[in-house]
Amino acid sequence: SQQGEEDPQALSIQEGENATMNCSYKTSINNLQWYRQNSGRGLVHLILIRSNEREKHSGRLRVTLDTSKKSSSLLITASRAADTASYFCATESLDSSYKLIFGSGTRLLVRP
Amino acid sequence: DAGVIQSPRHEVTEMGQEVTLRCKPISGHNSLFWYRQTMMRGLELLIYFNNNVPIDDSGMPEDRFSAKMPNASFSTLKIQPSEPRDSAVYFCASSSGQGNTGELFFGEGSRLTVL
Repeated sequence: SQQGEEDPQALSIQEGENATMNCSYKTSINNLQWYRQNSGRGLVHLILIRSNEREKHSGRLRVTLDTSKKSSSLLITASRAADTASYFCATESLDSSYKLIFGSGTRLLVRP
Repeated sequence: DAGVIQSPRHEVTEMGQEVTLRCKPISGHNSLFWYRQTMMRGLELLIYFNNNVPIDDSGMPEDRFSAKMPNASFSTLKIQPSEPRDSAVYFCASSSGQGNTGELFFGEGSRLTVL
């Protein structure tokens, strides 16, 4: 089964609104990463948060990590139409230091 | 740097034919990954190389799949014989991480259709 599961599966918002995506995972991790994928393209790394970190920011992105609940969230503030894409969380388990396991993704549509 | 380069971008073939997908990782990266993406199963790790050596091929579906990395700048994923259920997008990714994975850099993918 997949390590990371995103919620919601799909999200539609108006430009300018904030978008929040959640990720839950099952085992202890070294780090958790978020990736973005535009339709028909490869995945692009957005942000990495380590297991000893609780929050991280990068531009309009804010990621939180709660290891006690085995969950993470990605917040995109002031969304733009260009943010329309699929977003995936990926976890690196403690017992598998090279292996990133990807969740099923959240499809985000930002309406202009 | 040009990023991870994959070829072909699209491949349409008939069942039973041999398919070879190619990948050039980012120069200096010592880890290379092959992933497969389908609607039903999402992104699945097929095989991981470190310093050109296959470390984990437990994700390779069956013996019809094989992967090689003859040098630090080239890897192939071969399917022989191909079947319609192999239709998917195949991604190659590389990273400079050792131990902890760190950030993966993905290619644009090879979309395979097996008729």
